[in-house]
Amino acid sequence: NAGVTQTPKFQVLKTGQSMTLQCAQDMNHEYMSWYRQDPGMGLRLIHYSVGAGITDQGEVPNGYNVSRSTTEDFPLRLLSAAPSQTSVYFCASSRDRADNSPLHFGNGTRLTVT
Amino acid sequence: GDSVTQMEGPVTLSEEAFLTINCTYTATGYPSLFWYVQYPGEGLQLLLKATKADDKGSNKGFEATYRKETTSFHLEKGSVQVSDSAVYFCALIPASGTYKYIFGTGTRLKVLA
Repeated sequence: NAGVTQTPKFQVLKTGQSMTLQCAQDMNHEYMSWYRQDPGMGLRLIHYSVGAGITDQGEVPNGYNVSRSTTEDFPLRLLSAAPSQTSVYFCASSRDRADNSPLHFGNGTRLTVT
Repeated sequence: GDSVTQMEGPVTLSEEAFLTINCTYTATGYPSLFWYVQYPGEGLQLLLKATKADDKGSNKGFEATYRKETTSFHLEKGSVQVSDSAVYFCALIPASGTYKYIFGTGTRLKVLA
């Protein structure tokens, strides 16, 4: 089983460039989300989706856009990259929003903005 | 707002030592509590969980008990192995049912042979 697949694994951008981080899951999960992981700050929620066509903001949404046109895919777009967006990004999904539905994480994308 | 506080790392232990990683939380009502583990180069994966007071979650020799009176969910293992070296995250889902995980900052564990 592929689970949650993120691409690319590594990316270097210059300030002002845009890019899309890809996330796909093959488990027919309803819920998908994006987190960023920074040293000393744990994981912070950027955006999430409770189903195709529905997205909402998390804790740190500024500078990022998302869309959910299919159940499987949940891309994260950086509109104009800034050094403050240097981080490791994780996509996660779960079957639904019940407490007994654990999050399944991808292996992450390490982004550096110079 | 709701929050999770974990002990600072890194924690370095010898193989077969006893492990405790402290986790306390601030939340209204009865949140659901979780421990996730992140092995090098990978995403997080669920280690164990507890959804009501006095519940004990357990998996792979790890245990944690939901203590409402002390708002704690400390992770313990009686005998660690080198393969347990990872970063451990305590997390909660608020009782309000918003399903927005709140993660602690993570505690890195290094086990020496």
